[in-house]
Amino acid sequence: SAVISQKPSRDICQRGTSLTIQCQVDSQVTMMFWYRQQPGQSLTLIATANQGSEATYESGFVIDKFPISRPNLTFSTLTVSNMSPEDSSIYLCSVGEGAGYEQYFGPGTRLTVT
Amino acid sequence: DQQVKQNSPSLSVQEGRISILNCDYTNSMFDYFLWYKKYPAEGPTFLISISSIKDKNEDGRFTVFLNKSAKHLSLHIVPSQPGDSAVYFCAASENSGYALNFGKGTSLLVTP
Repeated sequence: SAVISQKPSRDICQRGTSLTIQCQVDSQVTMMFWYRQQPGQSLTLIATANQGSEATYESGFVIDKFPISRPNLTFSTLTVSNMSPEDSSIYLCSVGEGAGYEQYFGPGTRLTVT
Repeated sequence: DQQVKQNSPSLSVQEGRISILNCDYTNSMFDYFLWYKKYPAEGPTFLISISSIKDKNEDGRFTVFLNKSAKHLSLHIVPSQPGDSAVYFCAASENSGYALNFGKGTSLLVTP
């Protein structure tokens, strides 16, 4: 499976600021995804990062709040904009070959908003 | 609405015995099911999966059973080892979609 790294691994941010999280994969992959795990909750898909086009967002998530870039087949970024304490979560990127295949996850970024 | 449910938040098992982790789902369109293991400060690690056309899949010490009529699956770990202590997540997807729907996880503790 692909080796996935994320930066930063953790951060503490102030309310109203933005943070960009990077996801780097050691090989070209078809699909990249961004998930969120709020404290005590399950992982929830935020969006599918599409190479060369706009990301596809799940219900409840919008581009203005979570802009995503995917400039090539090995890299993606997720920005958490205008943060509030409710955005405190672990953010994870994952990669996969598409529907009906397993996904492999990065180590996650632990975000705390004060 | 939680479509994948893991009703046991924690489980404790002695080393060498069987660990059974359970998962229920409500969406009859799910046709691909996965188990992930997660250690603290790490991302989930893929363990084993099963397609809805099967009722069992085995990989070493790990076996997943699927009961479609009951909308239930389980992960069996035999024999359990202390290194298996982690949080286990059940996930499901519709083959036509990319989203993995996760349960809240079960924390397994394997004691020596």
